Amino acid sequence: AQSVTQLGSHVSVSEGALVLLRCNYSSSVPPYLFWYVQYPNQGLQLLLKYTSAATLVKGINGFEAEFKKSETSFHLTKPSAHMSDAAEYFCAVSAQGGGGADGLTFGKGTHLIIQP
Amino acid sequence: NAGVTQTPKFQVLKTGQSMTLQCAQDMNHNSMYWYRQDPGMGLRLIYYSASEGTTDKGEVPNGYNVSRLNKREFSLRLESAAPSQTSVYFCASRLQINTGELFFGEGSRLTVL
Repeated sequence: AQSVTQLGSHVSVSEGALVLLRCNYSSSVPPYLFWYVQYPNQGLQLLLKYTSAATLVKGINGFEAEFKKSETSFHLTKPSAHMSDAAEYFCAVSAQGGGGADGLTFGKGTHLIIQP
Repeated sequence: NAGVTQTPKFQVLKTGQSMTLQCAQDMNHNSMYWYRQDPGMGLRLIYYSASEGTTDKGEVPNGYNVSRLNKREFSLRLESAAPSQTSVYFCASRLQINTGELFFGEGSRLTVL
């Protein structure tokens, strides 16, 4: 079974500041890890994914995330926040190789607020 | 590029009414999913279909039924709607079970009065 914990339901940063959204996972097998972004009244769009290749993953819109097995973490960062980054962000985990129900297990989401 | 298409986008029901949410994907994916999204709860898996002809329960299946009509289409049915089923429903697909990312539709907002 897998689970995801996102620390902070709301995160507020100033425009131009570092964005750090935290995600910790639990998985009994090697995981695939994902970050999705959701803009108001829209579906979820993939930002980036980790599938057991490089531990530092680069995604769209200047975001990146680092897989740290020892810390069971997959935190999302962006060096300089832009107003257009304001959205809901979801971390998700999927078990490699099957076992149990399929699909991704999502965290509860972090609402990113950008202050001008 | 249509991707995953859901209908309807909005629906209001009275308690006890039934309805079906439709989902179709044009990416030749084998696996399809239905999630519900509620404030502060993230997305929770209702049902999924690993491949044409199979369906399985997810985390919150009670009160729902699904049909994998063909490879492209996966419908979600509420037989007797309840206020607790007020939610935003998302259909998603991926190439095959347990691999890769999900591709999502734009969602269907359902209100049960």
